[in-house]
Amino acid sequence: NAGVTQTPKFRILKIGQSMTLQCTQDMNHNYMYWYRQDPGMGLKLIYYSVGAGITDKGEVPNGYNVSRSTTEDFPLRLELAAPSQTSVYFCASSSGGQETQYFGPGTRLLVL
Amino acid sequence: GENVEQHPSTLSVQEGDSAVIKCTYSDSASNYFPWYKQELGKRPQLIIDIRSNVGEKKDQRIAVTLNKTAKHFSLHITETQPEDSAVYFCAASRWSSASKIIFGSGTRLSIRP
Repeated sequence: NAGVTQTPKFRILKIGQSMTLQCTQDMNHNYMYWYRQDPGMGLKLIYYSVGAGITDKGEVPNGYNVSRSTTEDFPLRLELAAPSQTSVYFCASSSGGQETQYFGPGTRLLVL
Repeated sequence: GENVEQHPSTLSVQEGDSAVIKCTYSDSASNYFPWYKQELGKRPQLIIDIRSNVGEKKDQRIAVTLNKTAKHFSLHITETQPEDSAVYFCAASRWSSASKIIFGSGTRLSIRP
């Protein structure tokens, strides 16, 4: 199993541009999450999903959107990128809400 | 809102000594407390977790203790080794609400040879 995979690994965006961060898991997990990690800081939950067709906001959802059309995929959409969105983005999945979360390798995003 | 405070933010210990990282949480309904380790440039990985029906859990050199009354929990690493150098995150969540998974700000642990 590949586990949780994310693309791209690194991206530079100009202010106002949009992009989609891809996340895929092959563990048949119902729960998937998107976090951002600012330099030297902890993980902030952006959005999460408890199954296909179901998504909900986390701590810091503003400026982001998600969709969950399949169990495997959970893309994160950035509209109108801002410098404050410069961060490392981690996708994670788990078999339940209080089970081990398996993280992807992360996407480093720089907005200039 | 819910909050998880983690201390210290940095910790340096001599190889072979013990390290202790402490966290406090504000949501009294929290009942699941995982600890994640993140090596430099890598993804976080679960190292141990504890649920509110137990007060202590051990896994080899790692142990976690929970004090529900005081709303704090701690990570204990004994006989530290160079590979223990990493950032450690505590977290807390309540049952049936994934949005309530709150991470602490992290502790950077350095092991001196």
